[in-house]
Amino acid sequence: GQQLNQSPQSMFIQEGEDVSMNCTSSSIFNTWLWYKQDPGEGPVLLIALYKAGELTSNGRLTAQFGITRKDSFLNISASIPSDVGIYFCAGLMDTGRRALTFGSGTRLQVQP
Amino acid sequence: DAGITQSPRHKVTETGTPVTLRCHQTENHRYMYWYRQDPGHGLRLIHYSYGVKDTDKGEVSDGYSVSRSKTEDFLLTLESATSSQTSVYFCAISETTGANTEAFFGQGTRLTVV
Repeated sequence: GQQLNQSPQSMFIQEGEDVSMNCTSSSIFNTWLWYKQDPGEGPVLLIALYKAGELTSNGRLTAQFGITRKDSFLNISASIPSDVGIYFCAGLMDTGRRALTFGSGTRLQVQP
Repeated sequence: DAGITQSPRHKVTETGTPVTLRCHQTENHRYMYWYRQDPGHGLRLIHYSYGVKDTDKGEVSDGYSVSRSKTEDFLLTLESATSSQTSVYFCAISETTGANTEAFFGQGTRLTVV
């Protein structure tokens, strides 16, 4: 099946630092979604991307849809303690199985 | 928040017993999904539905069955629970408007098989 490689697996940073994480795939996706999951909760949608090359921001978060449609990245600027959590990328193809394929997640820890 | 309710939120059951998890939505979305989340594996698709009575298998469907008799409900059944099915189960819903698709998750069901 499709595979999404998400990196890094974990990050430990100081408050105020910028963070970058990415997902790559051998398959082409037509939609990329980025989620954050807090402990004991379901993933919450942060940003949705629909066009190759698209750059979208949501507050301190910025995500880009790769030109090749096989990758995407998420940046968090000026991190704060509440950014702690697990971040997942997810890709969706418009044909065939219409179900999200998820990366394995990036666990972010922020030191105040 | 998207109107997705999973029940129960927690369940402990014995090996060999049948278990049914319920996902209920109030968004009238066409697509519904069941994922399981385990350490080191992220979210893996069990089954999904693309309409009433229309379902398909995901990558980890063995030991699970699903039913969708109406738009708002998607049931996941473990016919005979095993310890390897101890996991956190998430339901998700999605809809496509034009070229845009967004998917939203329920709060999860923590299932322990002893």
